[in-house]
Amino acid sequence: KAGVTQTPRYLIKTRGQQVTLSCSPISGHRSVSWYQQTPGQGLQFLFEYFSETQRNKGNFPGRFSGRQFSNSRSEMNVSTLELGDSALYLCASSSAGWGQETQYFGPGTRLLVL
Amino acid sequence: QQQVKQSPQSLIVQKGGISIINCAYENTAFDYFPWYQQFPGKGPALLIAIRPDVSEKKEGRFTISFNKSAKQFSLHIMDSQPGDSATYFCAATSQNGNAGGTSYGKLTFGQGTILTVHP
Repeated sequence: KAGVTQTPRYLIKTRGQQVTLSCSPISGHRSVSWYQQTPGQGLQFLFEYFSETQRNKGNFPGRFSGRQFSNSRSEMNVSTLELGDSALYLCASSSAGWGQETQYFGPGTRLLVL
Repeated sequence: QQQVKQSPQSLIVQKGGISIINCAYENTAFDYFPWYQQFPGKGPALLIAIRPDVSEKKEGRFTISFNKSAKQFSLHIMDSQPGDSATYFCAATSQNGNAGGTSYGKLTFGQGTILTVHP
C-alpha cells in the first residue's frame, strides 16, 4: 500500500495570506489527524477527522480549519497567516477499530511565513 | 492533565550501549502509549507501542516498560547503533468512538529526545 502523501512538501507565504494543505491517507483508512511541529512547542494536535466529521480538536485558534472528503482525503486551511504559523504540518491516518490504533504519518508540509 | 513529560531532552550513547528515555503522564484515561522515531526531513514512524494492561513489551532491541501506578513508561534501546540516531517521541492517546467506529486520532506527544549514538 502507498503511504500517507502530503502536498505540497514546501510552501512559502507572507503574513496575512491563507494556505491550504492536502493529505491523502493510506487506502482504507478513515481517520485523518493533523499535527503542527515546531522546535519550541514540539508536536501539537490540530484536529482529527473521521468519516467526514471532525471528531477532535486541539487548542488552536479558529484560523486553523480542516475538512475531510468522502474518499477520506483531507485538507487543512490556515487563514490570515502569522509568522508563528511557520512549522512542519504533519498528517497521519489510521484505520478504525480495536487493534487499529497505529497512526501512520506522512512526510509533512513545511510552511514558511515571511 | 493532558501533558506527557519526556526526559532527557538529549542523550549521547556509545555504540553497543543502552539508551533509556522516560515519559510520565497525568491523564488516567490514556490507554495506548506509542513511541515514534523521527529522522530529519521525515515524518514520525511508529517504533513500538504498549497498552496499560501489560508491564513490558519487547520487539527486537526495543523494549517498553510501563508502570501504571506511577503513570510512567520508558523506552529502552539495547545494543544502540549509529543508525538509531534520531529524535524519539513518546505519546499517549485514548479511544474515541461511537456507533460509526473507534479511533485513536488524538496523540499527545512528549517534547522529544534527540539520541546520538557514537560509533
